[in-house]
Amino acid sequence: DIQMTQSPSSLSASVGDRVTITCRASQSIRNSLNWFQQKPGKAPKLLIYGSSTLHSGVPSRFSGSGTGTDFTLTISSLQPEDFATYYCHQSYSPPGYTFGQGTKLEI
Amino acid sequence: EVQLVETGGGLMQPGGSLRLSCAASGFTVSTTYMRWVRQAPGKGLEWVSIIYTGGDTYYADSVKGRFTMSRDNSKNTLYLQMNSLGAEDTAVYYCAREEPYNYHYVMDVWGQGTTVTVSS
Repeated sequence: DIQMTQSPSSLSASVGDRVTITCRASQSIRNSLNWFQQKPGKAPKLLIYGSSTLHSGVPSRFSGSGTGTDFTLTISSLQPEDFATYYCHQSYSPPGYTFGQGTKLEI
Repeated sequence: EVQLVETGGGLMQPGGSLRLSCAASGFTVSTTYMRWVRQAPGKGLEWVSIIYTGGDTYYADSVKGRFTMSRDNSKNTLYLQMNSLGAEDTAVYYCAREEPYNYHYVMDVWGQGTTVTVSS
């Protein structure tokens, strides 16, 4: 199985900050990397797929980049509703698409 | 509106069985890939199973031989039959639709989840 490792595991930031979360795959996954946002008690929501393509309705302050084994999620100017846990997810190696362990973004 | 609604969770004793359901609306489950994903309390997301359009199913090693995923096309509903439950199966179980976006298969629609607790 492909292992996905996120860093940091948690992050404290303020409204208006620019934050970056990284995700590393244990082997090349080309650009088959997705990002999800999850708020407490809610289902995950798709933010970005294919490393850098914003899903419909996702604000443009979110962006993703990377290829191969190293990827980043950047939020350019944090909004109050962005405080959540973020998961990277590889969709390169079916059927067992694996998730990172999550990054909790706190105020 | 595209929607998934999971039901069937509950409190079970170790060794017991439970069947989860996932009713879809706004799209047809037999024409897309569908997954079950679970989340143990305070933990991350773990894929459990997938059913492809042709009906083939695959399972995570942690549930292989104990869980069975199926679908009823007439009811547009997915199922997850869980047998030999253990404490490690305690989690919120989500069903999710997996669709191709520019050749990337991603889970774009999720249900609200149903909670399974295994405890004596």
